[in-house]
Amino acid sequence: AQSVTQPDARVTVSEGASLQLRCKYSSSVTPYLFWYVQYPRQGLQLLLKYYSGDPVVQGVNGFEAEFSKSNSSFHLRKASVHWSDSAVYFCAVSMPNYNVLYFGSGTKLTVEP
Amino acid sequence: EAAVTQSPRNKVAVTGGKVTLSCNQTNNHNNMYWYRQDTGHGLRLIHYSYGAGSTEKGDIPDGYKASRPSQENFSLILELATPSQTSVYFCASGDYRGSNTEVFFGKGTRLTVV
Repeated sequence: AQSVTQPDARVTVSEGASLQLRCKYSSSVTPYLFWYVQYPRQGLQLLLKYYSGDPVVQGVNGFEAEFSKSNSSFHLRKASVHWSDSAVYFCAVSMPNYNVLYFGSGTKLTVEP
Repeated sequence: EAAVTQSPRNKVAVTGGKVTLSCNQTNNHNNMYWYRQDTGHGLRLIHYSYGAGSTEKGDIPDGYKASRPSQENFSLILELATPSQTSVYFCASGDYRGSNTEVFFGKGTRLTVV
């Protein structure tokens, strides 16, 4: 069975600061990995995804994530956050050949002016 | 443009009543999903479908039924609604094609059972 852990329920950073949101997964095989963002009263939007190859993947709006097989992690980063980045961020995994996404509990990001 | 449309967007139901949440996708995706979102739990999978006529149980199917009458439509049915089913429900459609995998979500249905 697979599971996804986002250890930080809430993160607060100042505008212009760098950001890292943590995600760890538990799986017997390397899964496909995703980060989604949810703005208030909205559905989820894909930020980026990882399947194979270069462990650092680029996403939309300056986000990137790094896959680490040794640490079973897929942390999300951004060099300089903007107030509009305030949202809830979800890490998700999918097993190869099993077409279902499993989500972590989410991290609520607040960007202070 | 990819679209997943849920209806209704908000619903108040009485305990013991029947509730049907509807989802329509215009993405021609084979797979469709129903999740519920609760604080501290993220999104949890209720039911999913691989195509018209198929439904599969997810992680929390108790108290829910699903119906996939066509490629485009996927419904979630609460035969006897309970207050514990008060939540926000999300429908998604997707196709898994390696690096071209795409999964799109609707905007959610806020259900309150009183």
